[in-house]
Amino acid sequence: AQSVTQLDSHVSVSEGTPVLLRCNYSSSYSPSLFWYVQHPNKGLQLLLKYTSAATLVKGINGFEAEFKKSETSFHLTKPSAHMSDAAEYFCVVTLFRSGSARQLTFGSGTQLTVLP
Amino acid sequence: EAQVTQNPRYLITVTGKKLTVTCSQNMNHEYMSWYRQDPGLGLRQIYYSMNVEVTDKGDVPEGYKVSRKEKRNFPLILESPSPNQTSLYFCASSSSDRRTSGRSYEQYFGPGTRLTVT
Repeated sequence: AQSVTQLDSHVSVSEGTPVLLRCNYSSSYSPSLFWYVQHPNKGLQLLLKYTSAATLVKGINGFEAEFKKSETSFHLTKPSAHMSDAAEYFCVVTLFRSGSARQLTFGSGTQLTVLP
Repeated sequence: EAQVTQNPRYLITVTGKKLTVTCSQNMNHEYMSWYRQDPGLGLRQIYYSMNVEVTDKGDVPEGYKVSRKEKRNFPLILESPSPNQTSLYFCASSSSDRRTSGRSYEQYFGPGTRLTVT
């Protein structure tokens, strides 16, 4: 079985300071990992993805994440928070089965608040 | 424009009155899926479809039905809605072709349907 744990349900930072959103996963196989962002009353938008290439993944809007197999982590970071980053963030793990079948597991989400 | 559309966006209904939420994608994706989002629980998969006429249960299928008669459409059917199905629903699609999606099979999400069952 696979699972995803987002270690913080809420994170609050000041504008211009670094952002760290933590995600740990468990999977019996080599997973694909994603971070999605959801702004209020909007759908989910892909921020970045890891698919067994480079372990440091760069995404949109200055976000990046590092895959650490030894720690089973995929934390999301950004050097300097902007007010527009306030949103809910989801870590997702995808397990591939036979053929093209896949199982997606979402973390419970981290609400990011950016203070002026 | 590549997109996933859902209708309706908002729906208030009463217990037991059958309803259908439509989902359509214009990206020729093989894979489509339905999720529900509830506070503190993230997104949970209801049903998914690998291709036309191929559907399977996700994590929380009870009380829902789906069909996949055409590649672009994947409607979600609630035969007898109950208040515990009040939720925010998302449809998503992705390519199953490794040549176009790499190995990521990135999901594209619709804008969501907020359903209230009284």
